[in-house]
Amino acid sequence: GQQLNQSPQSMFIQEGEDVSMNCTSSSIFNTWLWYKQDPGEGPVLLIALYKAGELTSNGRLTAQFGITRKDSFLNISASIPSDVGIYFCAGQRTGNQFYFGTGTSLTVIP
Amino acid sequence: NAGVTQTPKFQVLKTGQSMTLQCAQDMNHEYMSWYRQDPGMGLRLIHYSVGAGITDQGEVPNGYNVSRSTTEDFPLRLLSAAPSQTSVYFCASRRLASTDTQYFGPGTRLTVL
Repeated sequence: GQQLNQSPQSMFIQEGEDVSMNCTSSSIFNTWLWYKQDPGEGPVLLIALYKAGELTSNGRLTAQFGITRKDSFLNISASIPSDVGIYFCAGQRTGNQFYFGTGTSLTVIP
Repeated sequence: NAGVTQTPKFQVLKTGQSMTLQCAQDMNHEYMSWYRQDPGMGLRLIHYSVGAGITDQGEVPNGYNVSRSTTEDFPLRLLSAAPSQTSVYFCASRRLASTDTQYFGPGTRLTVL
């Protein structure tokens, strides 16, 4: 099956630092999504991207749809303790299937 | 408006036992789906449905059955549980016309001994 590779696998940062993570695929996607999952909860959508090159922000979060359509990036500025969690990318080609990345675990040290 | 609900939250089964994971949504969403989440694997699609009476296989359907008799409910059945099915299972729903806002349930943590 289709696998999206996310990196880094985990991050430990100081509160106030900026965070960058990315997601790559061997296939082209038409939609890229970024989710956050808190412990014991289901994923929650953060940002959706629909066009190659698109740059979209949601508060301190900014995500970009890569020009090649095979990658996407998520940045978090000025991290705070509640940013802790696992961040997943997801891609959709056509139809009703989304393919999820392997996740980036973020720990913010106060 | 409860969103997407799943029961049970935790379950332990013995190999060969059967059980049904329940999923319900009260948002009148046409599309519902089941994922499993394993360490280092992300979420993988098991089965999905685009409306009552319509189901289709996802990426990892073997060992699981689904049915969709109503818009609200989408149960996942394990007919003969295996240790390889130990995982966390998430149900999700969204409007069929929307490609983005997929709402996830809180998950069911299943252990098969």
